[in-house]
Amino acid sequence: DIQMTQSPSTLSASVGDDVTITCRASQSVNRWLAWYQQKPGKAPKLLIYKASSSLESGVPSRFSGSGYEKEFTLTISSLQPEDSAIYYCQQYQSYGFTFGPGTKVEIK
Amino acid sequence: EVQLVESGGVLVRPGGSLRLSCAASGFTFGGYWMSWVRQAPGKGLEWLANIKQDGSERFYVDSVKGRFTISRDNAQNSLYLQMNSLTVEDTAVYYCAKETDSGGHFDYWGRGTLVTVSS
Repeated sequence: DIQMTQSPSTLSASVGDDVTITCRASQSVNRWLAWYQQKPGKAPKLLIYKASSSLESGVPSRFSGSGYEKEFTLTISSLQPEDSAIYYCQQYQSYGFTFGPGTKVEIK
Repeated sequence: EVQLVESGGVLVRPGGSLRLSCAASGFTFGGYWMSWVRQAPGKGLEWLANIKQDGSERFYVDSVKGRFTISRDNAQNSLYLQMNSLTVEDTAVYYCAKETDSGGHFDYWGRGTLVTVSS
C-alpha cells in the first residue's frame, strides 16, 4: 500500500496568514491526490482533487493545491477563523486508497 | 440535494457481526462507485471498501478482507457493509461516501454511524 505522511501535524497561525501543509507519498501517485477538511463532529469535506483542481462551488478560492508524483501542498491564503479544522490528504492512484494522518490547523 | 444517511451502528461484542446501511438520495445512485470509510475515535480516516456501479467489482483494504463485505441495491438506492468477526479495533464512526465521476475520491459523505466493539 502507498503510505501518506503530512507535515506539520499541527500548525497555529493568525487570521490573514498564508499557511501551507505538505503531503508526501511513499511512491508516485501521479496527480491522484485529494485534500479534505474535517471539522469536529462532522464528515470530511472535499476541497481539492487531482492535486490542484477544486470543486466549482462550495470551496473558497483561498484553498489551492499543487504537486506531482510524491510531494504535494495545500495552501490556505489569508487564513480565516472558519478554516480551523483538520486537513487530510488522500491518494487514489491505487487500491487501497490511503489518507495522510492529518494536519490540525489552529487559529491564534 | 445529495444525502447519504448511515444506520446500523450499535454496541457489539468482540467476535460479533453487524450490517451497516446507507440510504442515498438526490443523485442517480446506480451511476457511481460508492465507498465506506471509517474513523476510530480521535484518529484519522481509513478507506475500507468500494463497489462499482453495478456491483460487479469490489475492492477492500487488507485489514478487512475476508471479514467485511460491501454490497449495494440500486433499486433501493442503498449501500451496505456486512461486518463479521469484529474486534475492538473496529470501533469507529463508519461513513458512507459517494465517489466522483472520475472515481477514487469522495465528494459527498454521510454523517456516519458509530460502531462500538466492546465486551
